[in-house]
Amino acid sequence: EDQVTQSPEALRLQEGESSSLNCSYTVSGLRGLFWYRQDPGKGPEFLFTLYSAGEEKEKERLKATLTKKESFLHITAPKPEDSATYLCAVMNSGYSTLTFGKGTMLLVSP
Amino acid sequence: SAVISQKPSRDICQRGTSLTIQCQVDSQVTMMFWYRQQPGQSLTLIATANQGSEATYESGFVIDKFPISRPNLTFSTLTVSNMSPEDSSIYLCSPTLYPTDTQYFGPGTRLTVL
Repeated sequence: EDQVTQSPEALRLQEGESSSLNCSYTVSGLRGLFWYRQDPGKGPEFLFTLYSAGEEKEKERLKATLTKKESFLHITAPKPEDSATYLCAVMNSGYSTLTFGKGTMLLVSP
Repeated sequence: SAVISQKPSRDICQRGTSLTIQCQVDSQVTMMFWYRQQPGQSLTLIATANQGSEATYESGFVIDKFPISRPNLTFSTLTVSNMSPEDSSIYLCSPTLYPTDTQYFGPGTRLTVL
C-alpha cells in the first residue's frame, strides 16, 4: 500500500526565514510525486511534478527536490502570501490515482 | 492549465435528501476523479469517473451512495444520496488534462448536512 507522510504538520516562519517541508513516501513504483498548495476554502493548486530521483524544479520562492525516499519543498525568503497548506502526493506506476499526505500548514508572519 | 468550474459552490441540505454536484472543464480531459475533503483532513479519492461507462469506486465508497455520471469528456456529476451529517465535507472534481498526467482541481463544493 502506498503511503505518504508529511512533516511538520504545521510550521510558523517569520517573513524572510527560509525553511523546508518534508514528504516521505513508500510506493512500489513511482510514476510521479506531486506538490500542491491549498488556500483555505479553495481547491488545491498544482505546483510541481517530480519524476525521478535527483530532479529539481523551481517556481518563484519554491524549490522541490526528490530522492528515492522523500521530497523536500524548500521555501526561500518566504512572504506572508506563501501562507497555505502544502500537500504532497504520489502516483503509483501501476495506476493513475494519487495518494495524498495530510499536508503541512505554513504560516508566514510579517 | 484550464478553467475548472463546479456548481454549486456551497449548499446546506437536510438529512435524507440528495445533492448533485456538477463539474465542467474547458479543456481536453483524459481522466476525471472525485475527491472528498473532510474538515481539517487531506483528500480522499471517492471514484474515477469513466466516460461512457460506470465509475470505478475506491474502498469504502459505493455507487448507490455516490452515483457518478460522465456523459462526455469535459463534464461530470457526483450525487451525494440520502445525506447524513457525516457527509458534510468539501467535494472536489479533479481532471487530468491531455497530454499530461497531472491532476488539477476544481474550486470545490462545500456541503453542510443538517
